[in-house]
Amino acid sequence: GQQLNQSPQSMFIQEGEDVSMNCTSSSIFNTWLWYKQDPGEGPVLLIALYKAGELTSNGRLTAQFGITRKDSFLNISASIPSDVGIYFCAGRSGGSNYKLTFGKGTLLTVNP
Amino acid sequence: DGGITQSPKYLFRKEGQNVTLSCEQNLNHDAMYWYRQDPGQGLRLIYYSQIVNDFQKGDIAEGYSVSREKKESFPLTVTSAQKNPTAFYLCASGTAGELFFGEGSRLTVL
Repeated sequence: GQQLNQSPQSMFIQEGEDVSMNCTSSSIFNTWLWYKQDPGEGPVLLIALYKAGELTSNGRLTAQFGITRKDSFLNISASIPSDVGIYFCAGRSGGSNYKLTFGKGTLLTVNP
Repeated sequence: DGGITQSPKYLFRKEGQNVTLSCEQNLNHDAMYWYRQDPGQGLRLIYYSQIVNDFQKGDIAEGYSVSREKKESFPLTVTSAQKNPTAFYLCASGTAGELFFGEGSRLTVL
């Protein structure tokens, strides 16, 4: 099946620092999604990307859909303590198949 | 309020018992999904349904069953055949674009 490699697995940063995480795929995706999950809660959609090369921002978050359609990255600028959580990427290969493939997540810890 | 409602939030079960997790959505989404989450494993797809009265196995369907009799509802039964059922279960619904999740149900087998 499709594989998504998400890195890094975990990050420990100081408040105010910028953060970058990425996902790479073994196959082409038509949609990339980025989610954040707080402990004991369901993931919340942060950013959705639909076109190769697309760069989209949501407040301090910026995500890009790679030109090759096999990768995506998420940047968080000026991190704050409430950015703590697990960040997941997810991709969809398109067509009539609604299935998403998820990365294993990046655990972000922000030290105040 | 619009959204996805999962119940119960916490559930304890004895070994050998079946248990059903509820998932209801009022977003008028065609597709619904069940994922299982274990520490360090990310989200793994159990079953999904793209239309009423139709559903497909995901990557880890063994020991689980579902039904989709109504567009709004997609209950998941964890059967006694599931060897390691203790996990966090997430229901989601969506369109061809985005996927939205419920708040999850944590099942613990005693």
